[in-house]
Amino acid sequence: DIQMTQSPSSLSASVGDRVTITCRASQSISSYLHWYQQKPGKAPRLLIYGASTLQSGVPSRFSGSGSGTDFALIISSLQPEDFATYYCQQSYSTQWTFGQGTKVEIK
Amino acid sequence: EVHLVETGGVLIQPGGSLRLSCAASDFTVSSSYMNWVRQAPGKGLEWVSIIYSGGDTYYADSVKGRFTISRDNSKNTLYLQMNSLRAEDTAVYFCARATKGYYYVSGSFYYYMDVWGKGTTVTVS
Repeated sequence: DIQMTQSPSSLSASVGDRVTITCRASQSISSYLHWYQQKPGKAPRLLIYGASTLQSGVPSRFSGSGSGTDFALIISSLQPEDFATYYCQQSYSTQWTFGQGTKVEIK
Repeated sequence: EVHLVETGGVLIQPGGSLRLSCAASDFTVSSSYMNWVRQAPGKGLEWVSIIYSGGDTYYADSVKGRFTISRDNSKNTLYLQMNSLRAEDTAVYFCARATKGYYYVSGSFYYYMDVWGKGTTVTVS
């Protein structure tokens, strides 16, 4: 199966900071890469699909880039409601897989 | 409003069997790609299984041969039959609809999970 590796596993940042989370696939997955946000006790929320397309209703401070094996989620100016855990996920193979998650905490 | 509600989570002994249900509203399960995703306590998300609109099914290696995904078109409901349960199957189980996207560079389609239920908790102990 395709392994997804996120970095960092956690980070501390301040409101207003620019934050970048990276995701690497163990083989090429084209642009079949999606990003989710999850807050404690809640279901995941889709942020970005197809590596770079913003889901309806998601603030424009979120953006995604990459193709092949290397991808990034960027939050241009971190807001208080953005403190959460973020996951990448591939749908290239018949067995979908998630990254291990990146927890964004308040500095 | 498009909506998913999971039910069926309980405390169950190792080796037992359990069926989870996921009732859908305002869209048709049989016309969609539907998934189960789980999250063990304090851990990350783990994709479990998918059923395509055409009926093909796929599983994570960790559950293959023990879990079966299915649907009842008349009830617009997705199921996950879980057999030979182990302590490591303890998790919150989410169902999620996958929607089709189009990758114009290659002219191909892909799927992403855009609607999620709130989850149901399975404890194997």
